[in-house]
This record gives sequence, C-alpha cells and structure tokens, in this order.
Amino acid sequence: DQQVKQNSPSLSVQEGRISILNCDYTNSMFDYFLWYKKYPAEGPTFLISISSIKDKNEDGRFTVFLNKSAKHLSLHIVPSQPGDSAVYFCAARTTGAQKLVFGQGTRLTINP
Amino acid sequence: NAGVMQNPRHLVRRRGQEARLRCSPMKGHSHVYWYRQLPEEGLKFMVYLQKENIIDESGMPKERFSAEFPKEGPSILRIQQVVRGDSAAYFCASSPWGNVLTFGAGSRLTVL
Repeated sequence: DQQVKQNSPSLSVQEGRISILNCDYTNSMFDYFLWYKKYPAEGPTFLISISSIKDKNEDGRFTVFLNKSAKHLSLHIVPSQPGDSAVYFCAARTTGAQKLVFGQGTRLTINP
Repeated sequence: NAGVMQNPRHLVRRRGQEARLRCSPMKGHSHVYWYRQLPEEGLKFMVYLQKENIIDESGMPKERFSAEFPKEGPSILRIQQVVRGDSAAYFCASSPWGNVLTFGAGSRLTVL
C-alpha cells in the first residue's frame, strides 16, 4: 500500500528554468510533509517542509505547495541549477507518529 | 558536531552469514530510525528506536532481522542468515524528536 506516490521517476529541466516535482498521498491523517534530496552514495538530506495548516512554504529557490483537498504537494525550484541534479524524495508523517513515509523518488536532471 | 555515523559503508556477505550494521546518532538525538532502499526503489521504514526501547518495528521483516539501541553505544541492525534479497542500502536516521530526520550516508550490503 503506497501511501505516498511520486509518479514521475525522472524529470529533465534546462538550467535556469523552473523544476516542478510532484507528490500525491492517500492518507488524510498526514499532517506534516517534507522533501529530501539525495545524491548518489550519500544519505538523503532535508530540503524543506510544510505543515498541513499551511498551503505554501518558501526557502530561497525552493517552494513547497500543499493542496490538501487534492492530497497533492509539489516542490518548485527556481531557477534550477546543475547542482540540483539529484533524486528528490517526498515524505509524510501522521499526527503522533514519529516515522516518515517516503515516496519512490524522482530523479531530477538539470541540463546546461 | 558530527552527523549520523554509519559503519561499515560497504559490507559483503555470503548467503547464510550474518550482517551487522552500526549507527551512531547525532549528539543529543535520542531517536533512531532504520530505513532500507532496494535498488530503484524508495526508502522503506523498518524500525524506530529510543534508548533501550523499540518503539515501532512495523516495517521489520518477521524473521532474521533485529535491531537494538543500547543505553551505551551505537544502534545495531542485525540480519541473520542473509539472502540475496537482503542486498540493499540501509540508512539510519536520528532526530531529537519527530519531524525532521537527519540521515547517515548509509551502509550498502551486498549478498553473494
């Protein structure tokens, strides 16, 4: 039962353009959402998060949008840079639970 | 302030042998999580521990896998009688409490 889904295994974007990564979830009890970035042979690193009481959170070039009615969140990166090439994981947590549930990941490639 | 330390980074075992993976959480973090990433898949939750206690082991296979987080020393993920399907990257994460997890670089297990 995949509660967090990233339906695009890969995405290719031109440097300087906007990258949009999408994530859908099925569990309405999720109240906190996170994005992690992972380079090869390294562990995932935290990027940005959003609470379910908000619909947008921004940090520099990264913005996360949450649409609770659609059970959908997205990560926008603008402008995209070559160093953004990595696998991006969406994750979610339910109230009172400590563990994070991860999506399958989207491999983002930024082309020069 | 060292991050989450995992060792060994790479471990090769023959079928039927035991694998022990170690994780030292960040200083001040009392919550430890283990995740497994199979090739071309996302991160799957295995177990969540606090000092001397297993809090949630809902993601652990019922047989051959065990985890501990003793009062002194690192957390250990133990896999007995390894099979080829156990080949994966095993990531440890820690947190002071909930929400954002900080991940280690992972231990890559290869079973011959």
